[in-house]
Amino acid sequence: EVQLVESGGGLVQPGGSLRLSCAASGFTVSNNYMTWVRQAPGKGLEWVSLIYSDGSTSYADSVKGRFTISRDNSENTLYLQMNSLRGEDTAEYYCARMVSGTGYYWGQGTLVTVSS
Amino acid sequence: IVMTQTPLSSPVTLGQPASISCRSSQSLVHRDGNTYLSWLHQRPGQPPRLLIYMVSRRFSGVPDRISGSGAGTDFTLQISRVEAEDVGVYYCMQGTQPLTFGQGTKLQIK
Repeated sequence: EVQLVESGGGLVQPGGSLRLSCAASGFTVSNNYMTWVRQAPGKGLEWVSLIYSDGSTSYADSVKGRFTISRDNSENTLYLQMNSLRGEDTAEYYCARMVSGTGYYWGQGTLVTVSS
Repeated sequence: IVMTQTPLSSPVTLGQPASISCRSSQSLVHRDGNTYLSWLHQRPGQPPRLLIYMVSRRFSGVPDRISGSGAGTDFTLQISRVEAEDVGVYYCMQGTQPLTFGQGTKLQIK
């Protein structure tokens, strides 16, 4: 059974950092195209970042230079390192396994709140 | 690519059909010949769940009263008979970088 479990969210001050984790089971992260999507409170879905099986990455303009996506093959885990956080980064963050250009499986999400 | 959904809110009677449209600002036909347009459903307090991918392919476990159609820049999600479990927000999503979503359509029971 495919499972994705996010963790690492919490309250952080503007300018601070957080690292989100997405632990996967039922498939191998390194063999798949994985993505992070976020949802601000009461708002729609916004793509954040992705990593392909070959390790190449891509970022939304809103997070480029501040966020870094990575994975640990031995832990079968996807990460999102978030630096220089801003109030507009406040959101629920979801990881998803991408197949055929969409999120086949989604985690339950982890909430990031950026506030002083 | 900008994705525009209509309507943004859809009150529907149980047992009646519902339809949501999604229009993209440019053709979603990928250079590989496929069209990476999908539909997601999100219930309150839950993560999104995949319903339809590649325009019309139903994901595992999705009932056949839910269907997708369209081509190029115009796509439609149809529910033939709305059930209580269908309430929530529906998003269209295009799968070419940068990935983008429609604004969401809230389906509610009258």
